[in-house]
Amino acid sequence: NAGVTQTPKFRVLKTGQSMTLLCAQDMNHEYMYWYRQDPGMGLRLIHYSVGEGTTAKGEVPDGYNVSRLKKQNFLLGLESAAPSQTSVYFCASSYSQTNHNEQYFGPGTRLTVT
Amino acid sequence: AQSVTQLGSHVSVSEGALVLLRCNYSSSVPPYLFWYVQYPNQGLQLLLKYTTGATLVKGINGFEAEFKKSETSFHLTKPSAHMSDAAEYFCAVKGTNAGKSTFGDGTTLTVKP
Repeated sequence: NAGVTQTPKFRVLKTGQSMTLLCAQDMNHEYMYWYRQDPGMGLRLIHYSVGEGTTAKGEVPDGYNVSRLKKQNFLLGLESAAPSQTSVYFCASSYSQTNHNEQYFGPGTRLTVT
Repeated sequence: AQSVTQLGSHVSVSEGALVLLRCNYSSSVPPYLFWYVQYPNQGLQLLLKYTTGATLVKGINGFEAEFKKSETSFHLTKPSAHMSDAAEYFCAVKGTNAGKSTFGDGTTLTVKP
């Protein structure tokens, strides 16, 4: 099993450009999440999904959109990138809504917006 | 609502010394608690978790944590630090909002030779 994979690993964007980050998991997990990690701020939840075809806003959703067309994939889109979106983005998944299930994380995507 | 506070953004210990990383939580329902570790340029991976039952939880790499309800704490310990333990450690809580974890800001552990 590959677990959770993310593409790309690195990306540099100019302000106003758009891009899509792809997350894929092969563990048949229902729940998937997108976080951003900034120094001293821990992980902040951007959007999450409780199943195929569903998405919900997290703590910091502005400027991002997501889609979950297939159970194994969760896409994060930036329509018009801003320097404030420079960050490391992590995707995670978990098995079910049961609270004792831990999250499995991808290796991250380092995004720089100039 | 749920929240996590990690006391100390940076902790430095000598190799062989005790490691103690502090985590206090707030939850309106009985919490599930997790410690994750993040090595440089990698994603987070689970160290250990508390769900129900025994309040002393053992994890990977010799780490353990004790759930203390009266103190709303879930501190992480390791008796003897190793150079390979240098990493960032995150405490997380799940209580309300099934499926969503709230993470602390993280503690960076440095191990000195």
